[in-house]
Amino acid sequence: DAGITQSPRHKVTETGTPVTLRCHQTENHRYMYWYRQDPGHGLRLIHYSYGVKDTDKGEVSDGYSVSRSKTEDFLLTLESATSSQTSVYFCAIRPRAGGSTGELFFGEGSRLTVL
Amino acid sequence: GDSVTQMEGPVTLSEEAFLTINCTYTATGYPSLFWYVQYPGEGLQLLLKATKADDKGSNKGFEATYRKETTSFHLEKGSVQVSDSAVYFCALSNAGGTSYGKLTFGQGTILTVHP
Repeated sequence: DAGITQSPRHKVTETGTPVTLRCHQTENHRYMYWYRQDPGHGLRLIHYSYGVKDTDKGEVSDGYSVSRSKTEDFLLTLESATSSQTSVYFCAIRPRAGGSTGELFFGEGSRLTVL
Repeated sequence: GDSVTQMEGPVTLSEEAFLTINCTYTATGYPSLFWYVQYPGEGLQLLLKATKADDKGSNKGFEATYRKETTSFHLEKGSVQVSDSAVYFCALSNAGGTSYGKLTFGQGTILTVHP
């Protein structure tokens, strides 16, 4: 158990509304990631963070923003949700460098439906 | 950039059949390679990994060998069970430089095992 909690786990919203997904971790990991999962595309990286206030874009960052004001929380925001953002969103952490061989550990996912 | 290609799915097998899921990759340097499994309604779990050429990762009867000469990391199991029904993802991590430990995923392969 990597101590990752995502919230909400399920959300239905309407086009044009803002949405924030939260990823909370309890083990002081430096690196955190947001991925989206869609059929036929596997998981694609949206944004990632390598420390408090240090974030960068992944391959599918358009329409998303992130914030990390403290180590334990990494927020993903859809400023104005669109139907193309209907997906399952996964947060992941990378264990501290010592003993790590590069694997990530994932939360249970947040299913977002945009009507 | 880095990329991972998995065999097209879905794959349907009878219990006790032999399983192979092909995975090939394109990457600079010496990536680490992973197989993740996602059971219905759950997040991704690390199934096995290999960090250098000719390494064999194994877990729960599954095996995969890191073949640098063919840039492949095929997943195999000698005798599948109904409980192996899941989605399987091949992934790589180029941990050096400015990659920040990001994982690049294949598109996933759905496996269904019938009694």
